[in-house]
Amino acid sequence: GAVVSQHPSWVICKSGTSVKIECRSLDFQATTMFWYRQFPKQSLMLMATSNEGSKATYEQGVEKDKFLINHASLTLSTLTVTSAHPEDSSFYICSASSSGYNEQFFGPGTRLTVL
Amino acid sequence: GQQLNQSPQSMFIQEGEDVSMNCTSSSIFNTWLWYKQDPGEGPVLLIALYKAGELTSNGRLTAQFGITRKDSFLNISASIPSDVGIYFCAGRAPGDAGNMLTFGGGTRLMVKP
Repeated sequence: GAVVSQHPSWVICKSGTSVKIECRSLDFQATTMFWYRQFPKQSLMLMATSNEGSKATYEQGVEKDKFLINHASLTLSTLTVTSAHPEDSSFYICSASSSGYNEQFFGPGTRLTVL
Repeated sequence: GQQLNQSPQSMFIQEGEDVSMNCTSSSIFNTWLWYKQDPGEGPVLLIALYKAGELTSNGRLTAQFGITRKDSFLNISASIPSDVGIYFCAGRAPGDAGNMLTFGGGTRLMVKP
């Protein structure tokens, strides 16, 4: 099946610093990647959709200048949380898809803790 | 936007029992997916459904795409402890771009050995 990796799997940072999370599709070319945030005991909340080579489309309420998304290649998308604050602490999950699939394939997630 | 109502929110069952959960929507979907999420992990696709009325099995799991295209259910037979986790339904609506999905709120399954 399609495999998606994320790095790092967890990160602890100080308030005010920036954190970059990578999402890679390992065995297929992902024309579209999605970034989700998940708070404890809640469902996945879509943050943004990114298509390779295009600007990301952000969901309502998600600050594009705070959550920078880059999808420069068909196998890599990055999410940078800029000037992180404790309220940004969450589980961030990416998924990948392509025109050949009807499904999204998820990465293992990144646990971000901002002190 | 669309919403998926997933029920029950949680279940606590005895090992060996069968489990049933479902998702309903006020609007139609043309794809239904069921995912399982283990603690601290990303969701893993269990079953994908593409046609109204379709019934698909994956081992002890069976899922159906409702005839009205507004609902889907997932059954787990003879539950075992490793079935513990959160199960999410997800749907793709007509007109949704780029495989965008709408997710249900999840069903948290706990299995007592």
